Amino acid sequence: GENVEQHPSTLSVQEGDSAVIKCTYSDSASNYFPWYKQELGKRPQLIIDIRSNVGEKKDQRIAVTLNKTAKHFSLHITETQPEDSAVYFCAAPRDDYKLSFGAGTTVTVRA
Amino acid sequence: DTEVTQTPKHLVMGMTNKKSLKCEQHMGHRAMYWYKQKAKKPPELMFVYSYEKLSINESVPSRFSPECPNSSLLNLHLHALQPEDSALYLCASSLAGGPNEQFFGPGTRLTVL
Repeated sequence: GENVEQHPSTLSVQEGDSAVIKCTYSDSASNYFPWYKQELGKRPQLIIDIRSNVGEKKDQRIAVTLNKTAKHFSLHITETQPEDSAVYFCAAPRDDYKLSFGAGTTVTVRA
Repeated sequence: DTEVTQTPKHLVMGMTNKKSLKCEQHMGHRAMYWYKQKAKKPPELMFVYSYEKLSINESVPSRFSPECPNSSLLNLHLHALQPEDSALYLCASSLAGGPNEQFFGPGTRLTVL
């Protein structure tokens, strides 16, 4: 089955700096890679996702890159703001319905 | 309506109680999920319903019993729970025939005494 590793487990950045979180996956057939943001006490929310037919996707300050050869994908947040502080989870599909989640990265943006 | 709703928000129950968690979505999604989440950990899949039929049970103990009365509703019946079952229970929905974006509800914070 799919195994997803996520690094780092915690990340502290100065407001305005960039943050990068990296995930690796094991199943070369995986074709969908979502990133979820979960603020304290709130639900996980999808912030961006990418399918295996593209290498990069951007949405304002957030971008995801995918390297299928190396089997890793990364989340990039530019110009970080205090509201970016949250736990971020990457995921890869185990089948049509199951997602293998990474262990999570706690991001703290220092004002 | 682009949200998944869950009730109750909080639930405290004893080990001999029977209670139910409820989930509702009106996005026309035909796949619905129950997850369990411990603090600072990723969600753990419990059950998946596809077209109102149970398609995945991740070896969940029988004290948790899911039900899908129709395409918009999902219930989780709880009976004889243990303190270690205390967690955030999240419902989610998605288009069927995925993998597709899963939309999560706000969760029910369950405490078992």
